[in-house]
Parts: sequence; structure tokens; C-alpha cells
Amino acid sequence: DTGVSQDPRHKITKRGQNVTFRCDPISEHNRLYWYRQTLGQGPEFLTYFQNEAQLEKSRLLSDRFSAERPKGSFSTLEIQRTEQGDSAMYLCASSREGDSPLHFGNGTRLTVT
Amino acid sequence: AQTVTQSQPEMSVQEAETVTLSCTYDTSESNYYLFWYKQPPSRQMILVIRQEAYKQQNATENRFSVNFQKAAKSFSLKISDSQLGDTAMYFCAFMQYNNNDMRFGAGTRLTVKP
Repeated sequence: DTGVSQDPRHKITKRGQNVTFRCDPISEHNRLYWYRQTLGQGPEFLTYFQNEAQLEKSRLLSDRFSAERPKGSFSTLEIQRTEQGDSAMYLCASSREGDSPLHFGNGTRLTVT
Repeated sequence: AQTVTQSQPEMSVQEAETVTLSCTYDTSESNYYLFWYKQPPSRQMILVIRQEAYKQQNATENRFSVNFQKAAKSFSLKISDSQLGDTAMYFCAFMQYNNNDMRFGAGTRLTVKP
């Protein structure tokens, strides 16, 4: 079990630029989640994949956000035309089928200047 | 909509003592799961303990135990024999059965003092 891996750990970008984050889940986990966490708050659900299918999207996920999991393994989260309000920690988590708990990565901290 | 409330933004405890973190939640569902996650300064969230709502027995994991009061919608975490490594943010989380949207509280920052 190598854990959930996220890349990069930190990203600083200027407002208006596009950014893309990558998440590699635990290999036998077919469920993958993206969360956003701002300072002093708990994680907020963004979206969920089962294998390659994106089954749920939060209303927090505006049109500028898109997530993919093309082969049911790694996933990418892209934010277009970044805004200062996008500054947050973006957490990825994975789990097995059923009611198994989520395993989180270290997150990608995004700072939009 | 389900909500999770942690009313203690910060707490501290002396090493080796016991501390209890509070969590309440709101739901109309009867089948769900509750979790406590720990987030140390390194930022990776780690599962501490989980409870299935249909189980009456409170979950226990070594020094960590919960007091699950389903009628009161309360799910507190007790840490016994606190250690310096327990210093972290603690998040209470709720997940409805057959739903994949795990809802988190705002967290409690716990500091264990030597």
C-alpha cells in the first residue's frame, strides 16, 4: 500500500491562468474523490469517480473546474481562469467498493495571486 | 441536507490525560456512517475510528473510543492517555449509506502539552 499520491504539493499561479493537478489513488481502489479545504474549515466534497465514470459533482464545482479519470486509475483536476477564491488545499482520496473508508493524499496547495 | 457541527474550535490537554472532542450531526436518514479523521501538521488526513449507525456498541481503537448517541445525533471522540503525537486537527465526518458525499465538520484543533 503506497498510499494516495498527489502532484504537485504546492502551486502558485497568477489569476486567470489554468492549473492542473494529478492524483494517483491506491492501486486496488476503484473509487476516487476530490475535496477542497480552505483554512480553518473541513474538506468540502467536489466530485467522485467510480472507475472512469464521474458519478457525482458538487455545486461547488463551477464550469471552470473539470475532473477526469480516463483509464480508471489516476485522475486530474483542472481549474481554468483561476480566481483568488480558488486558493485552497485540494485533497484527493480513494477507497474500495462498499462502505470502506477514504484514504487521503497529502493534498495540493494552490495559491492564486 | 446533512450537516456536521464541531463546536470546539480548539482544545488542549496535558500529556497522559483524557480529552473528549464533541460532534453533532443532522440527518433524517437512519443508515449512515460516522468517522473521526486526524490531520497532523503534515496535512495528510488519517482515519482514526468509524462507527456504523446500525451498531449500538461504541467503536474502540486502542486509546480512541467514541460515544455514539443516535437519538441525540451525537458522536464524541475520547482520547485516553494523550500523547504528543495526538496533536492535530480532528474532523468528524458523516456519510449516508449508499452515498459517496462524505460531509466534514469544521474541525477541532487539539494540542497535547508536555
